[in-house]
Amino acid sequence: EVQLVESGGGLVQPGGSLRLSCAASGFTFRNSEMNWVRQAPGKGLEWVAYISSSGGTTNFADSVKGRFTISRDNAKDSLFLQMNSLRAEDTAVYYCARGGWERWGQGTLVTVSA
Amino acid sequence: DIQMTQSPSSLSASVGDRVTITCRASQSISSYLNWYQQKPGKAPKLLIYAASSLQSGVPSRFSGSGSGTDFTLTIISVQPEDFATFYCQQIYSTRYTFGQGTKLEIK
Repeated sequence: EVQLVESGGGLVQPGGSLRLSCAASGFTFRNSEMNWVRQAPGKGLEWVAYISSSGGTTNFADSVKGRFTISRDNAKDSLFLQMNSLRAEDTAVYYCARGGWERWGQGTLVTVSA
Repeated sequence: DIQMTQSPSSLSASVGDRVTITCRASQSISSYLNWYQQKPGKAPKLLIYAASSLQSGVPSRFSGSGSGTDFTLTIISVQPEDFATFYCQQIYSTRYTFGQGTKLEIK
């Protein structure tokens, strides 16, 4: 069964950093493009970052460019989102999603607050 | 970035009603459009891909149409389990963007 499981969320102070992980199973991870999508409390969906199957191409939403980094470890079937210089407006549930968009994780909550 | 605009933002319907949600792209995206359903506290669920293709396991009462800039999601006979928020998403550009969502409520 295809599964994506996010972890690493939590409470962090403004200006702080957090690293999210997404563990993949049930499919050939190294062949799959991957994305991070977030949803602020009570708000809609916002695409955050994209990474190609090899990791050689990445793309970011303007709202996080220069602060967030997406990476992957194909040997460990894992996707990462390094979030630096966090702001209150980054508070959201963060989902990882497979490139075909048919599989999403359950999400991990990031709260940025003093 | 490509902007996606959904309408209406919310609508009320009764079980058995036919419901249509529209999505407009700020530029042509061919058929590179997905539709999702999201229930509270859950991840989005892919309903329709490539504008009109039904994702495996999704009931046939859901359908999608359109190409270019104008798209629709139709539910031909709304069931109790269908009440949720629906989103469109363009995948024409890898700077993916979503519509703002349409909340379908019980009348």
